[in-house]
Amino acid sequence: GAGVSQSPSNKVTEKGKDVELRCDPISGHTALYWYRQSLGQGLEFLIYFQGNSAPDKSGLPSDRFSAERTGGSVSTLTIQRTQQEDSAVYLCASSRDRVKHEQYFGPGTRLTVT
Amino acid sequence: ELKVEQNPLFLSMQEGKNYTIYCNYSTTSDRLYWYRQDPGKSLESLFVLLSNGAVKQEGRLMASLDTKARLSTLHITAAVHDLSATYFCAVDISTGNQFYFGTGTSLTVIP
Repeated sequence: GAGVSQSPSNKVTEKGKDVELRCDPISGHTALYWYRQSLGQGLEFLIYFQGNSAPDKSGLPSDRFSAERTGGSVSTLTIQRTQQEDSAVYLCASSRDRVKHEQYFGPGTRLTVT
Repeated sequence: ELKVEQNPLFLSMQEGKNYTIYCNYSTTSDRLYWYRQDPGKSLESLFVLLSNGAVKQEGRLMASLDTKARLSTLHITAAVHDLSATYFCAVDISTGNQFYFGTGTSLTVIP
């Protein structure tokens, strides 16, 4: 079946612009995660959605970052007034539910802020 | 905050040799995951370990979990070039929603 998809695959933007990154999780997966991976680094948790519950935003690095998930499916991560330190690969993952299931990762969006 | 440490961070090994990657974590957890990432690619799930003493094997890779020692190992048997990748462990604690990832072990298998 279809895996997790993300778009765009690459995004180059100027400092100060806003960007939107999209994630389509696997159908039926109720849990959705956003991570950030800087070059040569591990994964940094950003935000978590579970069904229709309020999201866990504890990993968002600043108020320039926000995310929403419409209809319990597609999610959009928005970064306002981008900074050069926002340059990274943004990974989305979904899992069947919160408990005891591994996450399936999308291919990521490589964001470059010039 | 939970800390997840992997060692070594970089590993270069010859084909046919055996080696072990270690994943230590700093708080109680009984769920640990191993992922593989190829250069420029996303993460692929390898193993899900859900209890103390869990052992799982797939091909030349075997993962184990000791929750009392807060340690997981990923053992590589008779390495082949195709295993070259970065391997991440991740820990899940029941009191939060985060998965805490290690810094990764970059493995290069030399012919």
